[in-house]
Amino acid sequence: NAGVTQTPKFQVLKTGQSMTLQCAQDMNHEYMSWYRQDPGMGLRLIHYSVGAGITDQGEVPNGYNVSRSTTEDFPLRLLSAAPSQTSVYFCASRQGSEAFFGQGTRLTVV
Amino acid sequence: GQQVMQIPQYQHVQEGEDFTTYCNSSTTLSNIQWYKQRPGGHPVFLIQLVKSGEVKKQKRLTFQFGEAKKNSSLHITATQTTDVGTYFCAFYSSASKIIFGSGTRLSIRP
Repeated sequence: NAGVTQTPKFQVLKTGQSMTLQCAQDMNHEYMSWYRQDPGMGLRLIHYSVGAGITDQGEVPNGYNVSRSTTEDFPLRLLSAAPSQTSVYFCASRQGSEAFFGQGTRLTVV
Repeated sequence: GQQVMQIPQYQHVQEGEDFTTYCNSSTTLSNIQWYKQRPGGHPVFLIQLVKSGEVKKQKRLTFQFGEAKKNSSLHITATQTTDVGTYFCAFYSSASKIIFGSGTRLSIRP
């Protein structure tokens, strides 16, 4: 009963490096989203997907790419990491009204 | 785009006192959701309200959706240490996107 699985849990990157945050769900949900959480700013939507092959931008998409080749997986790519991308990243999936969140990835860019 | 403002940002109460957080929008919302995030954890869905003037209760938690569907509140009666965390309101800005408020962090003095 895994739900939404995010890897890694922690990551430190140097400025300019690229990396992919992984997100997988086993609930056959159509909708998946990526959020970043910064102190005092709540959860801000980065990108979202309504199904395999379909993605769209959220509130803060710059510096991030996504793809959705399968229903299960929704990776988030940081193209060239910047200190401003230091944050906690959450992946979420849903089928109905309730969103299910992964455990989060704490990313530090130095 | 549509946003919700959440107040207060922080609330520190004595155990046993009541707690209320408010969520306000300048535009009419089709629905409002509430999530709880424990310290170090991920957001967990609590409830969704869709009807004007709707009131729902979950044990010591009471959720309200305003008559004009522009505001909502979460009230906790007689707080306990297990209530500690950040409470977020959220709404669907379209059929796909869930947008979150900035949250209210609740801390409790035993």
